[in-house]
Amino acid sequence: NAGVTQTPKFQVLKTGQSMTLQCAQDMNHEYMSWYRQDPGMGLRLIHYSVGAGITDQGEVPNGYNVSRSTTEDFPLRLLSAAPSQTSVYFCASSYHLRDRGRRNTEAFFGQGTRLTVV
Amino acid sequence: AQSVSQHNHHVILSEAASLELGCNYSYGGTVNLFWYVQYPGQHLQLLLKYFSGDPLVKGIKGFEAEFIKSKFSFNLRKPSVQWSDTAEYFCAVNRANAGGTSYGKLTFGQGTILTVHP
Repeated sequence: NAGVTQTPKFQVLKTGQSMTLQCAQDMNHEYMSWYRQDPGMGLRLIHYSVGAGITDQGEVPNGYNVSRSTTEDFPLRLLSAAPSQTSVYFCASSYHLRDRGRRNTEAFFGQGTRLTVV
Repeated sequence: AQSVSQHNHHVILSEAASLELGCNYSYGGTVNLFWYVQYPGQHLQLLLKYFSGDPLVKGIKGFEAEFIKSKFSFNLRKPSVQWSDTAEYFCAVNRANAGGTSYGKLTFGQGTILTVHP
């Protein structure tokens, strides 16, 4: 299994350009999510999905769109890039793990995409 | 809103010193707790997790963490650090319903950079 795969690894955009960050997982996980990582702020949730066709906003959704047409793929779209979106983006997938009768989730992360908007 | 606070931004130690990184969270319901590590230029890797049961959990590479429910804390410890432990460490929490379902959404602390001198 490849796990969670993100492409590209690096990207430079000009202000106003659009692009899509790709994320794919081959573990048949129900849940997928996107985070951005900024120095001193940890990781913040952008959008998440609980299954194909179902998405919802996280903590910092503005400027980003997502869709989930298949279980495997969860692309993140920047419609009009801004310098404030310069960040490292991580995609994660999660599954249910039974522990003492409870259903818990554990996240697996991709390698990240370092995006610079100039 | 749920928040996670890590006490130290940057910790500098010599090899063989003991390590304790603090983590406190604000949510009072059922939580799942994680510590992730990020080595320079790499993605997040799971160190350990707590779902329920024994509040002292052991993870990889000699790390352990103690969940103290009354203090809303989940501190990470290692008796003797190595140069190879130099990395950034993140505490993360997800809020679960009574059945343990959390959809994999994580709230991260700000991160603690650990530098270990040989």
